[in-house]
Amino acid sequence: AAGVIQSPRHLIKEKRETATLKCYPIPRHDTVYWYQQGPGQDPQFLISFYEKMQSDKGSIPDRFSAQQFSDYHSELNMSSLELGDSALYFCASSFAGGSQETQYFGPGTRLLVL
Amino acid sequence: KNEVEQSPQNLTAQEGEFITINCSYSVGISALHWLQQHPGGGIVSLFMLSSGKKKHGRLIATINIQEKHSSLHITASHPRDSAVYICAVPYSGGGADGLTFGKGTHLIIQP
Repeated sequence: AAGVIQSPRHLIKEKRETATLKCYPIPRHDTVYWYQQGPGQDPQFLISFYEKMQSDKGSIPDRFSAQQFSDYHSELNMSSLELGDSALYFCASSFAGGSQETQYFGPGTRLLVL
Repeated sequence: KNEVEQSPQNLTAQEGEFITINCSYSVGISALHWLQQHPGGGIVSLFMLSSGKKKHGRLIATINIQEKHSSLHITASHPRDSAVYICAVPYSGGGADGLTFGKGTHLIIQP
């Protein structure tokens, strides 16, 4: 069965650079979630989209933005990168229909900011 | 934001033992999630439940909505069950919300 696809899987950036992470949800899933997991930390919810509209907002820094496109894939744009942004970024998708449903997680993108 | 407490934080047991991991949360929710994270980082959803009990293989999850408490049980534990088990609840309390995660329980099953 198709799973959530994230690209790239690994990314190395310098401070103050920008990065774009991509997430391709499971086919027919309408909701995408972004999470950030720092080293030794539990995942933190950043933002979610349902039917291409922002659904819920967590602890996403103002330097980050995200959107969901017409084909339901989502991109997380990160600007003015800081050392503290080094983390594993998970995307998850669900067929939520506006309600709480099982979230299927992608393998994550490991971002290292030098 | 919902607060999620898990216990124990670390658990080492022998193969075959019955394992229980507990989770409590502060605000009423529509559903609670149990997740498994392996050392490589991948996260797998084990259960999503809003009432009663669910069973999948050797895993059983229960929830008591009134007491805001859930438990995850593993019967006949096996070394391949070694992982971090995470309890998570909706970030804002319901709907198509992101999740707030507990700190996780690091489980090691020794042969």
